[in-house]
Amino acid sequence: NAGVTQTPKFQVLKTGQSMTLQCAQDMNHNSMYWYRQDPGMGLRLIYYSASEGTTDKGEVPNGYNVSRLNKREFSLRLESAAPSQTSVYFCASSGRDRSYGYTFGSGTRLTVV
Amino acid sequence: SQQGEEDPQALSIQEGENATMNCSYKTSINNLQWYRQNSGRGLVHLILIRSNEREKHSGRLRVTLDTSKKSSSLLITASRAADTASYFCATDAQRGAQKLVFGQGTRLTINP
Repeated sequence: NAGVTQTPKFQVLKTGQSMTLQCAQDMNHNSMYWYRQDPGMGLRLIYYSASEGTTDKGEVPNGYNVSRLNKREFSLRLESAAPSQTSVYFCASSGRDRSYGYTFGSGTRLTVV
Repeated sequence: SQQGEEDPQALSIQEGENATMNCSYKTSINNLQWYRQNSGRGLVHLILIRSNEREKHSGRLRVTLDTSKKSSSLLITASRAADTASYFCATDAQRGAQKLVFGQGTRLTINP
């Protein structure tokens, strides 16, 4: 099925460990996004990539880095995880036609202990 | 900062009734979108309304937009148990890349 695939689905990290969340889309979308979702706070944008080769900070970029590996793949890296990064992370993509909005992945539930 | 604020935060109704959720935002927008999120899943795009539109329909969904009041509403008619989910509004205010800002969501429960 066409869509956005995120891996892993669940992860537990110890404080200070690093990890990379992977995201891939097969809809030929230009733009990709990483959001985090915390209870009662909706979704907040971490980083986005408007097109292959570009990345920009969103609302809450501190503690994260991203790589737009190619048009399909957009990864999010936590270099030194902190308990405040415990959250559900969503990757999304969008095409040139804004009418269709975003297509979201199913999320990665990350716990930092 | 959150662009959209949704009201109510939670809504519980009986199956067959209509559900109305409201969203207010702060800045000028290109369009406003509504998404649904079932528990533990990603968000699903429901409907988009452009800044020059006042009302839009899609199946049992009706969305209105009042740019003078910077507000939107989502009406779900003849609700079903399967409509139980969280609903989020999102505003698109950028000229370039679509960069959505989401509200905090309304948790809708449909009681059988």
